[in-house]
Amino acid sequence: GQSLEQPSEVTAVEGAIVQINCTYQTSGFYGLSWYQQHDGGAPTFLSYNALDGLEETGRFSSFLSRSDSYGYLLLQELQMKDSASYFCAVTFTGGFKTIFGAGTRLFVKA
Amino acid sequence: KAGVTQTPRYLIKTRGQQVTLSCSPISGHRSVSWYQQTPGQGLQFLFEYFSETQRNKGNFPGRFSGRQFSNSRSEMNVSTLELGDSALYLCASSLGVGNQETQYFGPGTRLLVL
Repeated sequence: GQSLEQPSEVTAVEGAIVQINCTYQTSGFYGLSWYQQHDGGAPTFLSYNALDGLEETGRFSSFLSRSDSYGYLLLQELQMKDSASYFCAVTFTGGFKTIFGAGTRLFVKA
Repeated sequence: KAGVTQTPRYLIKTRGQQVTLSCSPISGHRSVSWYQQTPGQGLQFLFEYFSETQRNKGNFPGRFSGRQFSNSRSEMNVSTLELGDSALYLCASSLGVGNQETQYFGPGTRLLVL
């Protein structure tokens, strides 16, 4: 089947670096995306990896390794406002279908 | 440019009833996808529409249906509601023509089935 696994919760301190992992059991997808969702809000796009390697967007970076069926989102210089849920997602080749992981709840402590 | 809008924002129904939710995509976007979000389950893909055609669907029973109009607005319908249908229903729009496009989500409709 098609599935993405993420840790359910991660806690980190303000100013620190945190990595949220995503492992998947699927194939035939274009790339791995990451979305952020604050409580009561809609998911918003953060980052996308079409190719293996690291993509950097400000304080956020994302990594993909297709050979290891693994990706991660790296958040640096954590701020309180980064407390949210983070979802990894894949969109399938020609299928116009996107599968999301169950999400990782990030708690940032002062 | 206005974002994705969904109506209504909140809805309370009883078991056995049916419900219709509406989604207006960003202007120029022709693809609309629908998701069900429940605590701990993430976003579950329901279906995707492009130019009034359903291009793909997820693993939901036939009680869940949708359609898209010529102006790209989309509706989803759930018939014979069950308690387990209580969830946040999100729609997302994109241009719909690329291999990998950012999806822009609406605020969602929170459905409570009693």
